Amino acid sequence: IQMTQSPSSLSASIGDRVTITCRASQSVTKYLNWYQQKPGQPPKLLIEAASSLQSGVPSRFSGSGSGTDFSLTISSLQPEDLATYYCQQSYSSPLTFGPGTKVDIK
Amino acid sequence: EVQVVESGGGLVQPGGSLRVSCAASGFSVSTSQMNWVRQAPGKGLEWVSLIYIDGTTYYADSVKGRFTISRHNSMNTLDLQMNNLRVEDTALYYCARQRPGYGLNSWGQGTLVTVSS
Repeated sequence: IQMTQSPSSLSASIGDRVTITCRASQSVTKYLNWYQQKPGQPPKLLIEAASSLQSGVPSRFSGSGSGTDFSLTISSLQPEDLATYYCQQSYSSPLTFGPGTKVDIK
Repeated sequence: EVQVVESGGGLVQPGGSLRVSCAASGFSVSTSQMNWVRQAPGKGLEWVSLIYIDGTTYYADSVKGRFTISRHNSMNTLDLQMNNLRVEDTALYYCARQRPGYGLNSWGQGTLVTVSS
C-alpha cells in the first residue's frame, strides 16, 4: 500500500489552523496513524486509528478520515509544533509511511 | 516505564554484515509486536521489518533475503541481522513497539549504521 502526503512542506504563523492530508493507494479502513518528528529526535505517535489522540498529546491536534483519505489538523499552531509529520498505515504488512510534511513557523 | 534502547551500529564495508540489537524494559518482547524502522540521513522514515507475537515475520522488499529479525525472550531483546549490506542501507535504525494493528507507540533513540568503503 503506497502512502502520499500533501503538502510536502508548509510555512504558517503562530495561531494558524494547519491541515495535512494523507492518501492511501487502497483502503486501510481506520488503520492510519500520525507521527511527529522533531529535529534530532525519534518519531512520536500522535494519533492512531485515524482519530484516537494519544495520551499527553495536546488537544489542538486532531485526525479524521477513513478508507483512503485522511487528515491531520493542528487547530492553532504553536512554536513547539515545528516538526515533520508522517502518516503510516497499519492495515497490512508491509507497513508503509508517507513521505512526510515539514511544518515551519513563519 | 516502557523503554527500548538500540545498540550495535557502526561502520561496515559494502557486502559486510552487522547485527543491531534492541533492549526492552517495562514490557516483554515475547508478548509484543516489534518493528525496525530506518531513516537515511536527511530522509523520511522507512519501515524495515516486524515480528508478530506468534513469531511471524515480515520484511520490506528492499531488505528481503538480506535482513533477519529475531527476538530473544530470555534476554528481552530484539535483533536485526543485516547481511550483504549496501551503501543505501546507511541509516539510523530505530526499534519500535507496536500495539497490534495500531501505531508504533514506543521508540528508541536509534543506532547509526554506516555502509561505506
